[in-house]
Amino acid sequence: GENVEQHPSTLSVQEGDSAVIKCTYSDSASNYFPWYKQELGKRPQLIIDIRSNVGEKKDQRIAVTLNKTAKHFSLHITETHPEDSAVYFCAARSESGAGSYQLTFGKGTKLSVIP
Amino acid sequence: GAVVSQHPSWVICKSGTSVKIECRSLDFQATTMFWYRQFPKQSLMLMATSNEGSKATYEQGVEKDKFLINHASLTLSTLTVTSAHPEDSSFYICSARPHRGAASYEQYFGPGTRLTVT
Repeated sequence: GENVEQHPSTLSVQEGDSAVIKCTYSDSASNYFPWYKQELGKRPQLIIDIRSNVGEKKDQRIAVTLNKTAKHFSLHITETHPEDSAVYFCAARSESGAGSYQLTFGKGTKLSVIP
Repeated sequence: GAVVSQHPSWVICKSGTSVKIECRSLDFQATTMFWYRQFPKQSLMLMATSNEGSKATYEQGVEKDKFLINHASLTLSTLTVTSAHPEDSSFYICSARPHRGAASYEQYFGPGTRLTVT
């Protein structure tokens, strides 16, 4: 099955600086890579996603890059705000044995933005 | 759009009792819903995939007789934790994938249910 590794597990940045979180995946057939933001005690919120036919996608301060050859993808947050502090999860969509699709999540990165 | 609700948001029950958690897609139809379990400061672990009108597919190590899943309609899936024990205490989160044919990729999460078994 799919295996997703995420680094770093914790990340502290000064307000206004950039934050980068990296993930690798093992299943070359995975074709969809979403990123979720989860605040303490709340639901994961989809913040950006990318499909395997695209190398980069940007939405305001957030961007995601995908390298299919190397099987890794990254989340980039620029001009960070304290409100960006949360746990971020990457995920990869792969086909399960039953013929349906499921997401496999990384272990998460706790981002702290210091005012 | 793409709102998923879960009920209850938290529940405390005694050991040996059963607890039912509901997951609803409020403004879209979802042929597939997923149930996850999340321990404190850990990632989401998929428990099972629930398809409307068919039996759920459980992940390895998840007891299907203990975690009963029913997906009777395109907007509702339920998870019943039977004969709950303290080790079942956790944060249970569902997600739903909009039914948009083969091109449907996104999953939207419910707010989660905090289960505490005493």
